[in-house]
Amino acid sequence: QKEVEQNSGPLSVPEGAIASLNCTYSDRGSQSFFWYRQYSGKSPELIMSIYSNGDKEDGRFTAQLNKASQYVSLLIRDSQPSDSATYLCAVHGSSNTGKLIFGQGTTLQVKP
Amino acid sequence: DAGVIQSPRHEVTEMGQEVTLRCKPISGHDYLFWYRQTMMRGLELLIYFNNNVPIDDSGMPEDRFSAKMPNASFSTLKIQPSEPRDSAVYFCASSLAAGGSGYTFGSGTRLTVV
Repeated sequence: QKEVEQNSGPLSVPEGAIASLNCTYSDRGSQSFFWYRQYSGKSPELIMSIYSNGDKEDGRFTAQLNKASQYVSLLIRDSQPSDSATYLCAVHGSSNTGKLIFGQGTTLQVKP
Repeated sequence: DAGVIQSPRHEVTEMGQEVTLRCKPISGHDYLFWYRQTMMRGLELLIYFNNNVPIDDSGMPEDRFSAKMPNASFSTLKIQPSEPRDSAVYFCASSLAAGGSGYTFGSGTRLTVV
């Protein structure tokens, strides 16, 4: 089992719709969770972080965390073509290290 | 702040040659990470440093790869000799704390070994 799993997609949604991106992780003691956006040919960019169960909203983005289910998601409301990118889920595990474990990423396509 | 700075942006080299990738982390960040990204394997952690000391190099694929961090503002990743399967994008990232604050990535070096 991979430590952090994401559906590779592509996930295709029409402009204006809600895009839902999902991620599961294996280390039950994980404490910090991140979503990165990566445009083609560019480097990953941190867009959301979440540390406690529940929802965290930032503009059109909402991160959701359920530690009991070992599940984290990212919702993008009013999706725009400019949101088309690969979204990487990253998890900081329970061991006292500095490293994040990344999922393979989900490619999102927002069609006008 | 200029962010994490990597050089070169692109490198094309012949098999067997030595390749050196460079990284300047964000000032004040005490963690530095080297990642490799390919379509097949995604983002792989190669090695990371804390306060210039290598902490975990278990992701370094083989002895052909080496990394150093002689001071807080500079790190290198060296491949000697290079092979075509080393072709990938290599990212450097830095962070302020032990994983709890996320990373800032550099622009990456696209390495092509022919």
